[in-house]
Amino acid sequence: GAGVSQSPSNKVTEKGKDVELRCDPISGHTALYWYRQSLGQGLEFLIYFQGNSAPDKSGLPSDRFSAERTGGSVSTLTIQRTQQEDSAVYLCASSLPTGGEETQYFGPGTRLLVL
Amino acid sequence: GDSVTQMEGPVTLSEEACLTINCTYTATGYPSLFWYVQYPGEGLQLLLKATKADDKGSNKGFEATYRKETTSFHLEKGSVQVSDSAVYFCALKWRGSQGNLIFGKGTKLSVKP
Repeated sequence: GAGVSQSPSNKVTEKGKDVELRCDPISGHTALYWYRQSLGQGLEFLIYFQGNSAPDKSGLPSDRFSAERTGGSVSTLTIQRTQQEDSAVYLCASSLPTGGEETQYFGPGTRLLVL
Repeated sequence: GDSVTQMEGPVTLSEEACLTINCTYTATGYPSLFWYVQYPGEGLQLLLKATKADDKGSNKGFEATYRKETTSFHLEKGSVQVSDSAVYFCALKWRGSQGNLIFGKGTKLSVKP
């Protein structure tokens, strides 16, 4: 079946511009996660959505970052006024709500370069 | 806070060599432990996991045992192949929760023919 998909696969933007990154989770997965992978920081958690519950935003690095999930499916991560340090690969993952040790399935990522 | 520490890479081995990638964790309880792998040009994939002490996770010839006494989850393979070349990430997550994974910084493995 279809896995997690993300778009665009690559994004180049100028410092100060806003960007939107999209994630389509696996159908039926109610949990959705955003992570950031950068050379200096490794893999960092950003935000987590579970069903209709309030998202866990504890990993967002600044108020320039926000995310939403419409209809419990597609999610958009928005970075406002991008900075060069935002350059990274942004990964999305989704999982099933089985109540056990759900495996998180990752998308291919969006590579963001801020010039 | 909770954290995962894994050996720095890159690691370069010849085909059929033995592999060990060390991973230790710091946590206030007993989390579930994972190894994820990222092959060149691909997304992160779960390689194996263990949810409680003394559990052994295994997949594709790789193994890792959850050692509570040493807070470790070292990844091992007896005979690596060129196709094992990838970046390996150790991670933890609280058992039974759907919270986020906490990752180590990754170890790049290159296997030469």
